[in-house]
Amino acid sequence: NAGVTQTPKFQVLKTGQSMTLQCAQDMNHNSMYWYRQDPGMGLRLIYYSASEGTTDKGEVPNGYNVSRLNKREFSLRLESAAPSQTSVYFCASSSTETANYGYTFGSGTRLTVV
Amino acid sequence: EDQVTQSPEALRLQEGESSSLNCSYTVSGLRGLFWYRQDPGKGPEFLFTLYSAGEEKEKERLKATLTKKESFLHITAPKPEDSATYLCAVGDSNYQLIWGAGTKLIIKP
Repeated sequence: NAGVTQTPKFQVLKTGQSMTLQCAQDMNHNSMYWYRQDPGMGLRLIYYSASEGTTDKGEVPNGYNVSRLNKREFSLRLESAAPSQTSVYFCASSSTETANYGYTFGSGTRLTVV
Repeated sequence: EDQVTQSPEALRLQEGESSSLNCSYTVSGLRGLFWYRQDPGKGPEFLFTLYSAGEEKEKERLKATLTKKESFLHITAPKPEDSATYLCAVGDSNYQLIWGAGTKLIIKP
């Protein structure tokens, strides 16, 4: 089925460990996004990529880095995980920056940092 | 400061009991208001986009409306399968989405 695929679905890290969250879309969308979702709060944008070869910081970029590997793939890296990064991470894509047609989200990665 | 507030935080209804969810917003240069549905353990699923005051959109038992300060998601004769968290977001002048915290809707049979 067409859509956004995220891996892994679950991950437990120790403080200070690093990891990369993978995201791929097969809808030929230009724009891709990384969000985190915490209880009682709205989705918060970490980084986004308006097109292949470009990336920009969102609302909460500290402690994260991203790579837009090609048009399909957008990865999120935690270099030194902290307990404050415990969250559910969602990747999304859209056909335009204005999201006129709505974002398509992946199923999420539930990350726990201990 | 751009802001989106959804109310109530949670809503419990009996099957068939109609109601409305609210999304109030303050944003400079609205670039659309978006409604999404999120089921437990899944990503949000796009429902509607509204662009101007007075606009309405419908999908099955859901109808979304928009004024200059708020949007309502009306649910008519809901069924248990309508249970989910409903998220509202607004597009700002930089074409970024600002999200509300969501309303958890529970429909009891």
